[in-house]
Amino acid sequence: QKEVEQNSGPLSVPEGAIASLNCTYSDRGSQSFFWYRQYSGKSPELIMSIYSNGDKEDGRFTAQLNKASQYVSLLIRDSQPSDSATYLCAVRGGAGGTSYGKLTFGQGTILTVHP
Amino acid sequence: EAGVAQSPRYKIIEKRQSVAFWCNPISGHATLYWYQQILGQGPKLLIQFQNNGVVDDSQLPKDRFSAERLKGVDSTLKIQPAKLEDSAVYLCASSLRRTPYNEQFFGPGTRLTVL
Repeated sequence: QKEVEQNSGPLSVPEGAIASLNCTYSDRGSQSFFWYRQYSGKSPELIMSIYSNGDKEDGRFTAQLNKASQYVSLLIRDSQPSDSATYLCAVRGGAGGTSYGKLTFGQGTILTVHP
Repeated sequence: EAGVAQSPRYKIIEKRQSVAFWCNPISGHATLYWYQQILGQGPKLLIQFQNNGVVDDSQLPKDRFSAERLKGVDSTLKIQPAKLEDSAVYLCASSLRRTPYNEQFFGPGTRLTVL
C-alpha cells in the first residue's frame, strides 16, 4: 500500500464547475496535510495547508480533512482554465524520530479545465 | 523575500559521469530538503538536513549519491556515477523549522538528463 494515494486522473471539468481532488494516507500519526499545485515544467507551489479535522477555505479553494478516515480532499470552485495543472497531496509525519517533519507526496492528479 | 535558489536549471550528461547540484534556501530556514521527481510521479525525499546535520537520508542511494550542507546554509547534491534511471528533476526545498506545521517551499529544480 502506498503511503499517500491519489487518483492520477486525468480529471476533466468544464470551466465554472467544481473540481474535487481526493487523497488517502496510511500513517495515522500524520499531523499536517498540504496541497501543492504543479504546472508542467515548474516546481510545486503550496496552495493549501490543513492541520485539523473539518474544512478550511481560502478563496476558491477548500481543503477538507477527516483523520478518522485518513482522507483529505481539495475542492476548487468556479474552476478556470488556469487551474489546469497537477495537484499533489502531501502528508507530514508527526511522530518523533526520522519521520518527524518528513513530507510524503502522492503521485498527483492531473486536472484539466476546459472552456 | 527571495525564494529557494537552485543551479543549474538543466544538465545533460552521459551515464557514468558525475554531476553536482547547488541549492540556497530561503534566508533563515533551518531545514533543507532534496527531492527527486521522476516524470509522472510525486517528489520523493532523498535527504533532509536540520542546520548542517543530516536528519533523514534513508532514501538516498548512498553508493552513488552524496549531499552536504557544511555551513548550515547552502547545500550541494552529487551523483557519481550517474545512471540512466537518475534522469529526473531534482528539487530543493526549505522550511523554517523541522516541525509538522512548517510549510516547505520549493526551488525551481534542476532537470537532469542522463544519456
